[in-house]
Amino acid sequence: AQSVAQPEDQVNVAEGNPLTVKCTYSVSGNPYLFWYVQYPNRGLQFLLKYITGDNLVKGSYGFEAEFNKSQTSFHLKKPSALVSDSALYFCAVRVPHGSSNTGKLIFGQGTTLQVKP
Amino acid sequence: GAVVSQHPSRVICKSGTSVKIECRSLDFQATTMFWYRQFPKQSLMLMATSNEGSKATYEQGVEKDKFLINHASLTLSTLTVTSAHPEDSSFYICSARFGDGYTFGSGTRLTVV
Repeated sequence: AQSVAQPEDQVNVAEGNPLTVKCTYSVSGNPYLFWYVQYPNRGLQFLLKYITGDNLVKGSYGFEAEFNKSQTSFHLKKPSALVSDSALYFCAVRVPHGSSNTGKLIFGQGTTLQVKP
Repeated sequence: GAVVSQHPSRVICKSGTSVKIECRSLDFQATTMFWYRQFPKQSLMLMATSNEGSKATYEQGVEKDKFLINHASLTLSTLTVTSAHPEDSSFYICSARFGDGYTFGSGTRLTVV
């Protein structure tokens, strides 16, 4: 079965410290991987994606993620966390959907990032 | 580019009434849109996929007659929650594919009283 797992419900870091939010996936074929961030009562904002190419992907707001095929992981990282980074983070993978080429996203459970001053 | 506008952002309705949520792609055409439901501090659950000019595809366990989806044009998809009950209270989010990615609406908080 195709799935995405975020093993941590919550990650706590101090402002200025590096942060990592973990994500592992299980899909057949080459994965299309995404990270989104959600602030309270808001939709999802795109951070970055991996389709092909370099395993290290750089995205919005200083975030980056490393695609590791052997470990089937796509962890989100940031060298120096900000209090304003505190939010809910979702990892997602695109899977085939019906007969169209649109695909659909399967989301992980979400990880709450809490950055303390 | 690739903005999806979702309206309303919040709605409170009485039990037994129907509520319509609109999702518009502002600067691109979306032949397919996705409707999700999200419970507090939980992940997004795909409810259905709407296709312009054809019937929506519902995920297993989602009531077609309760959650009516219409995708009448390349820029507008609507979700109507019919005969709403308190257990339908939730956060509903729409999404559309754009290029290799997906863009999301800002969500609708539905409260049924």
